[in-house]
This record gives sequence, structure tokens and C-alpha cells, in this order.
Amino acid sequence: DTGVSQDPRHKITKRGQNVTFRCDPISEHNRLYWYRQTLGQGPEFLTYFQNEAQLEKSRLLSDRFSAERPKGSFSTLEIQRTEQGDSAMYLCASSLSGDQANYGYTFGSGTRLTVV
Amino acid sequence: AQTVTQSQPEMSVQEAETVTLSCTYDTSESNYYLFWYKQPPSRQMILVIRQEAYKQQNATENRFSVNFQKAAKSFSLKISDSQLGDTAMYFCAFKAETSGSRLTFGEGTQLTVNP
Repeated sequence: DTGVSQDPRHKITKRGQNVTFRCDPISEHNRLYWYRQTLGQGPEFLTYFQNEAQLEKSRLLSDRFSAERPKGSFSTLEIQRTEQGDSAMYLCASSLSGDQANYGYTFGSGTRLTVV
Repeated sequence: AQTVTQSQPEMSVQEAETVTLSCTYDTSESNYYLFWYKQPPSRQMILVIRQEAYKQQNATENRFSVNFQKAAKSFSLKISDSQLGDTAMYFCAFKAETSGSRLTFGEGTQLTVNP
């Protein structure tokens, strides 16, 4: 297993366009998380899944954002009608559930979104 | 809601010396976990060390150790024998046992190790 993979690494889009990011977690991890990180700040929680169920969403996840994990494996994060304020690094992480989730998460390298 | 504060935006240290990064947090939870993550310029966040709040003994991982002061809500990271590869952004993070799976991060400290 090569860890958590995110695609693409970089995305430049025009304001108003839709974008979709993909995350492939560690195969045996049933929990998957999305975070957003703006320049010079710590990551902020967006949402997380246990298997295919989306169990928690942050207030940061506006109606323009949607995340899915249809088969409990990879996940996608879509942003509709992008705005310049959406420019950030989008990080994906995965972990086991239960007490194992308290041992920390494995993060991917992120997708850098730039909205112009 | 929990908050995590890292009051040192930047720090520098000479190679082979020791440096301490500060972190304070605020919570009303009694059971929680604390983490230090390292984010090198390649961007992937790597777990450095973790501490369980109910354990009084400070965690250590090779050259990395923490000073956990539960009453003061303080969780500092000490890096001994600093190496050039330690240059990175360091984030302190908090996870309450009751918060589902949400990790709350501090603002980060950029550490530069100078040769």
C-alpha cells in the first residue's frame, strides 16, 4: 500500500467552474476525512466518512461543496461554482475506526486549488 | 468547542541543538488525545508523536518528546539533536474522545534548522 493518494496535485480553475478531487485512502482504513488548509494556517475539518456513510459535516462545507464515498473506498470532493475564497489546499486523510482512530490519521499530499 | 493555540509562528535552531515548540489548548473534555504533526515542504502531514490525556507520563519518540501539563492545558514538543530534515511546519492537534473523529489543529510553527 502506498498510503493516501490524492489527485490531482494541482488544479487551476476559473471562478464559477466546478472542480472535483479524488482521494484513495489506505485500503484497510474505513474512515476517510477531508480537511482544507489555507496558506499559513492549520488544516480545518470539512467532513468525514465511515465506510460509505458521511457521519459529520463542518459548517465550512457550504451547499456548493459535496463529498461522496460511494463504495466505502475512494472519495470525491466536488466544489460547484468555485469562488476565489475556495483557493486552498484540500487534504484527505484516513484511519481505522474505534479506538484506532485515536492513534492519528494518515494524510495525503493534498490537492492545491487555485481559483482565478 | 476546542481551540488550539501555537504562539510561535516561526522558530529557528542550529543543527544538533535542542528546540521547544509551544502549544496550548482549551477544552472542557476530560478524555482527549494530543498530537504533533510535521508538514515538510513536500506537504504531506506526518504524525510525530501523540499523547493520551489520561496518561501522566510524557510521550517520547526517539529525538522527539513532549511536556504535557494537563492542568495548564499545555503540550510542548521538544526536538533534541536537531537535524536539517526537521525543517518543516509543525502543527499541534487535539481530538476529544467525544468529538467523533474531528481533529482540531493549531496555526502551526515554521521551524528552520540551520547548518
